[in-house]
Formats: sequence, C-alpha cells, structure tokens
Amino acid sequence: AQSVSQHNHHVILSEAASLELGCNYSYGGTVNLFWYVQYPGQHLQLLLKYFSGDPLVKGIKGFEAEFIKSKFSFNLRKPSVQWSDTAEYFCAVGSGGYQKVTFGTGTKLQVIP
Amino acid sequence: DSGVTQTPKHLITATGQRVTLRCSPRSGDLSVYWYQQSLDQGLQFLIQYYNGEERAKGNILERFSAQQFPDLHSELNLSSLELGDSALYFCASSARQGKGETQYFGPGTRLLVL
Repeated sequence: AQSVSQHNHHVILSEAASLELGCNYSYGGTVNLFWYVQYPGQHLQLLLKYFSGDPLVKGIKGFEAEFIKSKFSFNLRKPSVQWSDTAEYFCAVGSGGYQKVTFGTGTKLQVIP
Repeated sequence: DSGVTQTPKHLITATGQRVTLRCSPRSGDLSVYWYQQSLDQGLQFLIQYYNGEERAKGNILERFSAQQFPDLHSELNLSSLELGDSALYFCASSARQGKGETQYFGPGTRLLVL
C-alpha cells in the first residue's frame, strides 16, 4: 500500500524567508504527485501536480516542487513566503488505474509579518 | 471556487442519529470522491464513485454508505453516529477516473456529533 510522509507538522517562518516542505512517499510503481493548500476555513486547492516530464514543476502563487525519483520525494519550495501563505499544505500521491490518492498528514505553515 | 458544491455547510446532531451529506460535482465531472478530515486522523479517503458505480473504497466504516445518482450528484450517509465521527467531510470531483486526474475539492461539511 502506498503511503505519504510529511515530516514537518508545523513550520513558522518570517515573511521573505525561503520555504521547503518535505514530502516522501512509498510506492513501487508509477505515481502522480500533488500538493494541495488549505487556507484557514477553506477547502483544499491544488497548488501544483506532477504526472511526467520535467521533474521541476511550477505551480500557482510562486510555488514549485521537485520530483526526485531516487529519493521518493516531492518537496515543495517557495523562495520568499508572504503572510498570505499561512495555511496547511498537503502532499498527495495518486496511483493505479482508478487514481487512488493518499494524502499526507499535512504541514501547518505560519508566516509571521 | 472549485465548482464543487456541498450541503449543508454545518451539521450538528446527536449520537445514534443518521445524517446525509450531499455533493454536486463540477459540471461534466464523472468521478466523485469522499474524504473525512479530523484532527487526529488527518485527511482520509473514504470512497469513490465513477458515473454511478462504486470504484474504490478506503477507510470507510460499515455505518457509512454512499451513492452517486444519475445526475452525478452524490450522497454520503452516516448512521449510528458516534462522537468520533465529528469531522470535516469533503467531496472532490474529477473529470474521469484515470491516471493523472486532478481532484477538485468542495468547501466541506462540518459535522459535530454531541
């Protein structure tokens, strides 16, 4: 069975700091990788996704993620965070013909002005 | 706004009761997914439907059931409710069921069991 690990449960950064959130998955086959964001009181929104091709994926709001197959990782990055990036971030892995998606436990990001 | 709608937004009920949560997918989407989000369990996949048929099951309790209707909306039925069922229930939809499909999430229904 596939699983997703997000090691950082709570991250606190000052505005303009750089961000990297870790995501590791375990699954032996081909996977599709996603990062979702959940702003306070809102639903999950897709930040970016990787299906194939260039392992460096750019998403909305200046976020990017790099798929490193050898490390089973799909870390999320942003060079300079803003207060409005305060949210919970979920990494997800999809696999199989019916696209079973497994979510990580989420990382709460707090950006201090 | 993802285009996925869920009703009601909030639901307060008592233990032992039964409730129905409703989800309308984005226009044209055939797949509907249900998730439960709680503080201790995180985001858990419950069940998926595609064009009216059940396609995948996750950590769904036997007290819970779902269906997708011909107009593609879906309902999640929760019965014999327990305090631990208090959670945010999300519905998501995608165009098809295949590889690489992006799921679009609704705003969720917050269920409180007292």
